[in-house]
Amino acid sequence: DGGITQSPKYLFRKEGQNVTLSCEQNLNHDAMYWYRQDPGQGLRLIYYSQIVNDFQKGDIAEGYSVSREKKESFPLTVTSAQKNPTAFYLCASSMTGAPSHEQYFGPGTRLTVT
Amino acid sequence: ELKVEQNPLFLSMQEGKNYTIYCNYSTTSDRLYWYRQDPGKSLESLFVLLSNGAVKQEGRLMASLDTKARLSTLHITAAVHDLSATYFCAVGLLIQGAQKLVFGQGTRLTINP
Repeated sequence: DGGITQSPKYLFRKEGQNVTLSCEQNLNHDAMYWYRQDPGQGLRLIYYSQIVNDFQKGDIAEGYSVSREKKESFPLTVTSAQKNPTAFYLCASSMTGAPSHEQYFGPGTRLTVT
Repeated sequence: ELKVEQNPLFLSMQEGKNYTIYCNYSTTSDRLYWYRQDPGKSLESLFVLLSNGAVKQEGRLMASLDTKARLSTLHITAAVHDLSATYFCAVGLLIQGAQKLVFGQGTRLTINP
């Protein structure tokens, strides 16, 4: 089955610790994205990557870092510099050559930092 | 800066009734997406609208796009309880092969028997 997987589903961390969220896709999509969702809000773009070894900041990149060493993988690190890391994190991917550029979303990781 | 506004933000309606959710956006774009989200879940794609005047229908839901008015609508016909969810619109901006999505705040729809 083709799709996007995110792990873990739930993640708990102490304040001051860095944490890495996994995102893997087997859709052969070129572009990948990370979004953050706070309760009762829409999604906001953190980082995106159009191609391996290249990525761009989105609207709320401060306190986050990413890497894109493989086409299939786009991990997100939430650093201790992120002031309010507790949120629902969603990864997405899209085919850059497709007319619709439709983004397909993974199941999400719910991060709680105390 | 692109802004996307949905209204209403909360909608409680009875089964069998019709209603419309509105999505206004501030910058020219001809790419508009509608998603559904159930509590605690990820986003499910409903409609992809890629041109002015585009209209798509699936079951009791119909979406349309007016790029000149910078407005999209999601119309619900004869609502049923299963349609209770939060609905998001998102406007797409192409950036060097990737597409940035800017989301509205979401409309939480509750359909009562």
